[in-house]
Amino acid sequence: QVQLQESGPGLVKPSETLSLTCTVSGGSINSFYWSWIRQPPGKGLEWIGYIYYSGGTNYNPSLKSRVSMSVHTSKNQFSLRLNSVTAADTAVYYCARETSTWNNIDCWGQGTLVTVSS
Amino acid sequence: DIQMTQSPSSVSASVGDRVTITCRASQDISSWLAWYQQKPGKAPKLLIYGTFSLQSGVPSRFSGSGSGTDFTLTISNLQPEDFATYYCQQANSFPRTFGQGTRLEIK
Repeated sequence: QVQLQESGPGLVKPSETLSLTCTVSGGSINSFYWSWIRQPPGKGLEWIGYIYYSGGTNYNPSLKSRVSMSVHTSKNQFSLRLNSVTAADTAVYYCARETSTWNNIDCWGQGTLVTVSS
Repeated sequence: DIQMTQSPSSVSASVGDRVTITCRASQDISSWLAWYQQKPGKAPKLLIYGTFSLQSGVPSRFSGSGSGTDFTLTISNLQPEDFATYYCQQANSFPRTFGQGTRLEIK
């Protein structure tokens, strides 16, 4: 059974770059679309974007100018970078897997809280 | 972006009740609609995809219907573990978008 686990700093200073990595275990990263989704405390879900194992990406236009994603197939990992962060970027960040059949998100990491504060 | 609007925002019900949650898309998404359940402090869990299809392991008391712009999630014979927040999500186009959530509370 595939499991996803986010890792990275839980505190980032304003104007700096948020960096997270997701490790995929129990299955290969060489298929599916690998997504990042975030949830501000007490609020709803926002799709950040995804990366295909071959490197193709699709980002939310609302974040596109600040987001980049990369995939590291040899390590079964993929990563998120969000630059120029503000307090509005404080959220639980989830990595997840989107299927290519019905485009649903069928597997989620447990989530990691990232707080933007000086 | 396609806007997803859920109603109600919250609902109270008792164990054994039947509950229906509605999701409306701002444009036609055909059957590209998924439902997720989220409990406090946990990641969302996929319940239904493609409007109707039950994800493996999900109890049959959950069902989905609709097409185009109007969709429903129905939970029959509510169980204690069903009290959670439910989100719809369109998978028709980019960016993927979610409804604002419906909180199902115990009456």
